[in-house]
Amino acid sequence: EDQVTQSPEALRLQEGESSSLNCSYTVSGLRGLFWYRQDPGKGPEFLFTLYSAGEEKEKERLKATLTKKESFLHITAPKPEDSATYLCAVQVSGGYNKLIFGAGTRLAVHP
Amino acid sequence: DTGVSQDPRHKITKRGQNVTFRCDPISEHNRLYWYRQTLGQGPEFLTYFQNEAQLEKSRLLSDRFSAERPKGSFSTLEIQRTEQGDSAMYLCASSLPTSTETQYFGPGTRLLVL
Repeated sequence: EDQVTQSPEALRLQEGESSSLNCSYTVSGLRGLFWYRQDPGKGPEFLFTLYSAGEEKEKERLKATLTKKESFLHITAPKPEDSATYLCAVQVSGGYNKLIFGAGTRLAVHP
Repeated sequence: DTGVSQDPRHKITKRGQNVTFRCDPISEHNRLYWYRQTLGQGPEFLTYFQNEAQLEKSRLLSDRFSAERPKGSFSTLEIQRTEQGDSAMYLCASSLPTSTETQYFGPGTRLLVL
């Protein structure tokens, strides 16, 4: 069964303290891996798509990387406005285009 | 382009009542998805439309749930005889039929069944 697991469930950082979020996946065939940011009471906001092992993408203080079994979202020198839930999702080859999500990592960045 | 919109944003209903939600996708996005999200969990897929055709339905979508997308534009999700377990955030997303297949989400409709 296709599955996505995110860790840690929650992470508390001081402003400027860099860290990484993990997304491990077990799928029959990966078509794409997606990272979204979700603020409380809002819909997920698209961040990145990764397609193949070794691929990396960056946006401001965020950098996403992909291996054959997992993806990392690296947050460099975070600010309080980076506080949110970060969701990882996979799209599986050979089927329709639904996303299979992990439960998310709740990030809190304190000044 | 104003993004995906959903209406209403919040809905409180009593158990046993019917509710209907609406989703307007980004213009020219012919793919539309419904997801359900409960507190502390990631979104779970419910159903998928390409144009007006409903191509996939999750086992989560019991016979009390029905979704339509007439004319391939907006979509509605109806829940009949609501139960307390239906309380959740209902999210709509849309995408273009490209290789990147990025899904853009709306703000969601939060349903509370009393």
